[in-house]
Amino acid sequence: DSGVTQTPKHLITATGQRVTLRCSPRSGDLSVYWYQQSLDQGLQFLIQYYNGEERAKGNILERFSAQQFPDLHSELNLSSLELGDSALYFCASSVDRGPYGYTFGSGTRLTVV
Amino acid sequence: GDSVTQMEGPVTLSEEAFLTINCTYTATGYPSLFWYVQYPGEGLQLLLKATKADDKGSNKGFEATYRKETTSFHLEKGSVQVSDSAVYFCALSDMDSNYQLIWGAGTKLIIKP
Repeated sequence: DSGVTQTPKHLITATGQRVTLRCSPRSGDLSVYWYQQSLDQGLQFLIQYYNGEERAKGNILERFSAQQFPDLHSELNLSSLELGDSALYFCASSVDRGPYGYTFGSGTRLTVV
Repeated sequence: GDSVTQMEGPVTLSEEAFLTINCTYTATGYPSLFWYVQYPGEGLQLLLKATKADDKGSNKGFEATYRKETTSFHLEKGSVQVSDSAVYFCALSDMDSNYQLIWGAGTKLIIKP
């Protein structure tokens, strides 16, 4: 157990639908990062939140949004889903800026049918 | 901007063979360097890291030395096991990246018994 909790582990939904992925960071970590990993293995950075505020944005589609709540958990909302959105979605957390690296959750596997 | 280049996979080896996965980086500052491992069906785990030149990170029999002169952080293991089969990611972070991890594309390692 890495200390980063992601739910659900698996999600199957239809095209056009909307889903919410949830992440609880490791205790004491203030930053949350969201990544998408497709079948070709590469990690695509989506967005980062720090202590409730958006800090950095990657290649996140307009159909996707995220937020971090006062208790530091984060949610990634994916709407108007397309087949191509099928992927693994990872959440990671870190303390703050610095050479600490990230702690990853085990991911949510999203399948859009 | 900062970037990380890893050798392309898959890398296929026999059990007990010597492993090297090459990683080179481009950075204007003094980055910290990381190796993460992703076992099948799991999230990424920090394998080892080094925060300054000539540092050697080590864990689970894996080693990597931060070589500033060659801007490299190659991952090595003297005798691999089937259980080492995974995808390995090299990454860096520094002030220029706002301490976000900049990722290599990942190298899939397959160990045959």
